[in-house]
Amino acid sequence: QVQLQESGPGLVKPSETLSLTCNVSGASITSFYWSWFRLPPGKGLELIGYIFYTGFTNYHPSLKSRVTISMDTSANQFFLNLTSVTAADTAVYYCARDRNGRHYDYWGRGTLVTVSS
Amino acid sequence: NFMLTQPHSVSESPGKTVTISCTRSSGSIASNYVQWYQQRPGSSPTTVIYEDNRRPSGVPDRFSGSIDSSSNSASLTISGLKTEDEADYYCQSYHINDRVFGGGTKLTVL
Repeated sequence: QVQLQESGPGLVKPSETLSLTCNVSGASITSFYWSWFRLPPGKGLELIGYIFYTGFTNYHPSLKSRVTISMDTSANQFFLNLTSVTAADTAVYYCARDRNGRHYDYWGRGTLVTVSS
Repeated sequence: NFMLTQPHSVSESPGKTVTISCTRSSGSIASNYVQWYQQRPGSSPTTVIYEDNRRPSGVPDRFSGSIDSSSNSASLTISGLKTEDEADYYCQSYHINDRVFGGGTKLTVL
């Protein structure tokens, strides 16, 4: 059974960097694409970006200047870094497996990140 | 790139049928598969339809998907509505390296 689990700080100060880890079990991250999403309060689901094991990444245009997604294949984990955060980055963050755009078939449970001083 | 446009909200009574539309702004809706995800409050999204009209195991056949080239749109139809179907629904498609999501539709079952 494929499982994804997000982890990281639940509180980040404005202007600092949000860093999250997605631990994957039951599947190797050297197959498929691996994505980060977020759900801001009262808003819709937003794709932040994704990574392929070759290192290829693709980011949402509005976040591109602040986002980095990376992976550690030996640990079967991938990561999200979002710099210079503001209150607008407060959201539940999810990681998910992407079958080449055709299907997000496994999701983590999500982790709430609040940006506040 | 293209956009996917969904109605902001729909509502219907238990036992009835509801259809949620997803209109592609440019390019053919038939060019790339469309998926539908259900997200209940406090839960992760789950797939209810993938590859236009396929249901993952465990999704009841009350859920069906279709595409209409004449209106360049996809539709999610839920029949025999239950209160547990109340959720946000997102359509999703892709083109080469881009993944595109609709803004989501809030389904209220009242």
